[in-house]
Amino acid sequence: GEDVEQSLFLSVREGDSSVINCTYTDSSSTYLYWYKQEPGAGLQLLTYIFSNMDMKQDQRLTVLLNKKDKHLSLRIADTQTGDSAIYFCAENHDYKLSFGAGTTVTVRA
Amino acid sequence: DAGVIQSPRHEVTEMGQEVTLRCKPISGHDYLFWYRQTMMRGLELLIYFNNNVPIDDSGMPEDRFSAKMPNASFSTLKIQPSEPRDSAVYFCASSKPGLAGEDEQFFGPGTRLTVL
Repeated sequence: GEDVEQSLFLSVREGDSSVINCTYTDSSSTYLYWYKQEPGAGLQLLTYIFSNMDMKQDQRLTVLLNKKDKHLSLRIADTQTGDSAIYFCAENHDYKLSFGAGTTVTVRA
Repeated sequence: DAGVIQSPRHEVTEMGQEVTLRCKPISGHDYLFWYRQTMMRGLELLIYFNNNVPIDDSGMPEDRFSAKMPNASFSTLKIQPSEPRDSAVYFCASSKPGLAGEDEQFFGPGTRLTVL
């Protein structure tokens, strides 16, 4: 969606960290989300962060939120080949989600 | 639960034909969403329902598109007549907002529509 922007491509070496960045516009969004889409499949929720938090960690995933700059990032530690996918950032408006265009992450050996 | 079920998984049709896409949401979910995904426009919300009632259809591209939800376990998205520019992957998703307001949408596998 127009309201959420993210870079389109990221190439990372296996074992390195991946960082995917996103900017959003709606400061009233209560939650911000990261979804993952593997080839030929639907989107699957990876993690979300409540808007009054600035960091959330979940195993290899770390989400950072800068509300002042309306900037959200997802860090994947020790990136594996199975992490190759499209990653979507999303913000909520009531019960609707606005998605970014998606970042295609390619993991190379 | 089997998750969100969509049928058919693939549909190839000719321009002018009617196309009906089907969705069965997860039992107990009271929100249902229809999305369209294309390379050019990304993921677009077409319409969503709450308790079987259409709440926002502002994303429906034109009158050729219609969606219904006759009961809590079934929804259809119909395109009549279909055009080549309707070719896309159509996703259905359902959700039940959590107690804290978090709102995970569960997506179906999608229907890949090709209009020749």
